[in-house]
Amino acid sequence: GAGVSQSPRYKVTKRGQDVALRCDPISGHVSLYWYRQALGQGPEFLTYFNYEAQQDKSGLPNDRFSAERPEGSISTLTIQRTEQRDSAMYRCASRPSRFETQYFGPGTRLLVL
Amino acid sequence: AQSVTQPDIHITVSEGASLELRCNYSYGATPYLFWYVQSPGQGLQLLLKYFSGDTLVQGIKGFEAEFKRSQSSFNLRKPSVHWSDAAEYFCAVVPGVNRDDKIIFGKGTRLHILP
Repeated sequence: GAGVSQSPRYKVTKRGQDVALRCDPISGHVSLYWYRQALGQGPEFLTYFNYEAQQDKSGLPNDRFSAERPEGSISTLTIQRTEQRDSAMYRCASRPSRFETQYFGPGTRLLVL
Repeated sequence: AQSVTQPDIHITVSEGASLELRCNYSYGATPYLFWYVQSPGQGLQLLLKYFSGDTLVQGIKGFEAEFKRSQSSFNLRKPSVHWSDAAEYFCAVVPGVNRDDKIIFGKGTRLHILP
């Protein structure tokens, strides 16, 4: 079946604009994770959901970042008032249950000018 | 501090040669351990994982890894590399006993293959 999909794949925006990044998990997957990967680094955790409930948002860097998963499927990561330091690859992963591993999407590369 | 360390940022090997990528972790309990591969323009693909049991784990694409508790290591190996193995490799852990926990990634090792 289809894997995790993310859109857009590339996003260029100007400093101060808001952006919304979308993640469409594998159908039926319970858990959904967001990570951020800076150039030359490994992915770093941002937040995750079980169904529609946000379980852990300890990795969100500040209050400009928020995420939601209102129906327990598609999730949106929103960055308000973007800054150049927000430029990175944003990766989404989903997992069918707590006894399985995470499957990653292709990522959204965000560039803030 | 708790961490995942991949000491080699870049490694270059000749096609057909053997490969070992190093990974060490610093967590008190035995974490769940993973190796992921990231090819240019691609997502992260799971190569193999260790949860418990046999400490030598077989993965996809001919890779294997060995968990050594005494050394807090989980090194990735392949007996003979192919040009298509050129990619970035990430060692990762889920540090807690709660499998819901986030994955902690190392900084990655970029593998270059000489023809």
